[in-house]
Amino acid sequence: ETGVTQTPRHLVMGMTNKKSLKCEQHLGHNAMYWYKQSAKKPLELMFVYSLEERVENNSVPSRFSPECPNSSHLFLHLHTLQPEDSALYLCASSQETGTDTQYFGPGTRLTVL
Amino acid sequence: TQLLEQSPQFLSIQEGENLTVYCNSSSVFSSLQWYRQEPGEGPVLLVTVVTGGEVKKLKRLTFQFGDARKDSSLHITAAQPGDTGLYLCAGEPPDSSYKLIFGSGTRLLVRP
Repeated sequence: ETGVTQTPRHLVMGMTNKKSLKCEQHLGHNAMYWYKQSAKKPLELMFVYSLEERVENNSVPSRFSPECPNSSHLFLHLHTLQPEDSALYLCASSQETGTDTQYFGPGTRLTVL
Repeated sequence: TQLLEQSPQFLSIQEGENLTVYCNSSSVFSSLQWYRQEPGEGPVLLVTVVTGGEVKKLKRLTFQFGDARKDSSLHITAAQPGDTGLYLCAGEPPDSSYKLIFGSGTRLLVRP
């Protein structure tokens, strides 16, 4: 238990669906991250938030839309995804952006049909 | 583009054997981290190495950062089934402290 929870743990969606992934951290951290982990590629950073402000958008397609309403919650809104977007989506948090240790949630396994 | 190559990609060994996992790059990193990820879980940080040539030990695990800070190794002595998992290295680029560059991982299976 790392103090970072993600829901749902598994999600299957069609290409025309709209869904959202949720992440919550109970560590009092100020920075939160979304990563994508595909079977055949290294873990990729998608978005970084610091104190609810986005500080990084790592060339992610607009069909992925992040939202950080407060420093404890992070969402990833999904719409019109492609089958190649199927992956494990990991949320992480750290005290601050920088050299602080990142604590990862268990991930949401997403399958796009 | 900075890349981290991990080798081997897969490793299946018998309990009690020793093994070494490598993480190599042509780029310099400010620090390098090692994570272990078990099925159904996110990566968990094992260690961070910062200084070139640094060696850190965590029970049966020994981590080394290359002198030039371009590579690292993880050595496990007397592997146990509980060591089974995906081992990831991640480098911190000198110009961006939170944009970790991850390797593709080494999947280790320790058979009883």
